[in-house]
Amino acid sequence: EAGVAQSPRYKIIEKRQSVAFWCNPISGHATLYWYQQILGQGPKLLIQFQNNGVVDDSQLPKDRFSAERLKGVDSTLKIQPAKLEDSAVYLCASSLDFPGQLNTEAFFGQGTRLTVV
Amino acid sequence: SQQGEEDPQALSIQEGENATMNCSYKTSINNLQWYRQNSGRGLVHLILIRSNEREKHSGRLRVTLDTSKKSSSLLITASRAADTASYFCATEITGTGAGSYQLTFGKGTKLSVIP
Repeated sequence: EAGVAQSPRYKIIEKRQSVAFWCNPISGHATLYWYQQILGQGPKLLIQFQNNGVVDDSQLPKDRFSAERLKGVDSTLKIQPAKLEDSAVYLCASSLDFPGQLNTEAFFGQGTRLTVV
Repeated sequence: SQQGEEDPQALSIQEGENATMNCSYKTSINNLQWYRQNSGRGLVHLILIRSNEREKHSGRLRVTLDTSKKSSSLLITASRAADTASYFCATEITGTGAGSYQLTFGKGTKLSVIP
């Protein structure tokens, strides 16, 4: 079974530039998450999709971050414009079922390491 | 905001010893999950324990859950150098969307197993 694919693996941009990350979840997984992990900290949930609908985006800085999940499969996360404090690893994860159901173990991609200079 | 908090923040043990990590959380949970993250790599799911379960085993891993104390522990027996990693507890809690749940992570415990 193929895992969660993310690209790019690394990205360096200047502040005020824009950047986009792509995620392809495991086939058939209903839930897709984007997390932000700053060095030395735990992952922080940015947005959660169930199929192609947003369930929770309460911690997404909506003035600069946006995300969509196309046809309930692939997802993109965009930052525009980037700030220095956005430097982090952006992790995408998927789970078979919706949280609150049975099969909710999250499978993570390798992440995209973003450096804003 | 992060709901779980692991203790200790860092743990260093000799190969062959047991390692115990604790997680405390604040609100009611649907389940609690433990994940491992090796340096520079993504998170790997280890074990899930539901709110109506008290103990679960998987290989050298043993997880306990005490919902009255809002705490969980992860025990790794007979540790190996390959167990060196950061360990995170994640709680499935009620989300902000109606009828939704979300998976929130703690700050992690950094385990070093010395050969």
